[in-house]
Amino acid sequence: AQSVTQLGSHVSVSEGALVLLRCNYSSSVPPYLFWYVQYPNQGLQLLLKYTSAATLVKGINGFEAEFKKSETSFHLTKPSAHMSDAAEYFCAVSNNAGNMLTFGGGTRLMVKP
Amino acid sequence: DGGITQSPKYLFRKEGQNVTLSCEQNLNHDAMYWYRQDPGQGLRLIYYSQIVNDFQKGDIAEGYSVSREKKESFPLTVTSAQKNPTAFYLCASSRPGTSGVDTQYFGPGTRLTVL
Repeated sequence: AQSVTQLGSHVSVSEGALVLLRCNYSSSVPPYLFWYVQYPNQGLQLLLKYTSAATLVKGINGFEAEFKKSETSFHLTKPSAHMSDAAEYFCAVSNNAGNMLTFGGGTRLMVKP
Repeated sequence: DGGITQSPKYLFRKEGQNVTLSCEQNLNHDAMYWYRQDPGQGLRLIYYSQIVNDFQKGDIAEGYSVSREKKESFPLTVTSAQKNPTAFYLCASSRPGTSGVDTQYFGPGTRLTVL
């Protein structure tokens, strides 16, 4: 069975600083991995996904994530945080058939001016 | 515009009442999903449907029911048997991707509060 662990339920950075949100997964087969963002009282918006092509995946809003098989990780980064990045971020892994997702507990990103 | 709509955005219910949450999509997606979100617990799958007139239980189906009579619609009923129904409910739909993985797209959610 797949599982996802997001280290740090809350992360705080200053505006302009590097954003690093951690995601580790457990999967018995090569995984498909996703990052979603959720703004308050809204649904989830897809940021990016890894589907076994390039290990460095670029997404929307300047975010990117790198798939590292040896570390079973798929950490999300952004070089320079903006106030508008404040939101909750979810990492998810797909099942073998590719049609179901298991989500991590989420990381709330706070950006200080 | 194509997308997923959920209504109402906020819903209040008295204990012991059933309530139905609406989810409609015009993306022509075959699969639809219902998730429950509680603070600090991520999203948990309630029910999903891969095709019209067929659906399966997810991880936390007890106290919930669904129907899938039309491709566009996947309503969720929260019954009085659900012990703790206050939560944020998210509907999603998906289409098969070229890499063999489906990408799920989410509606704006319905916040249910039991009084």
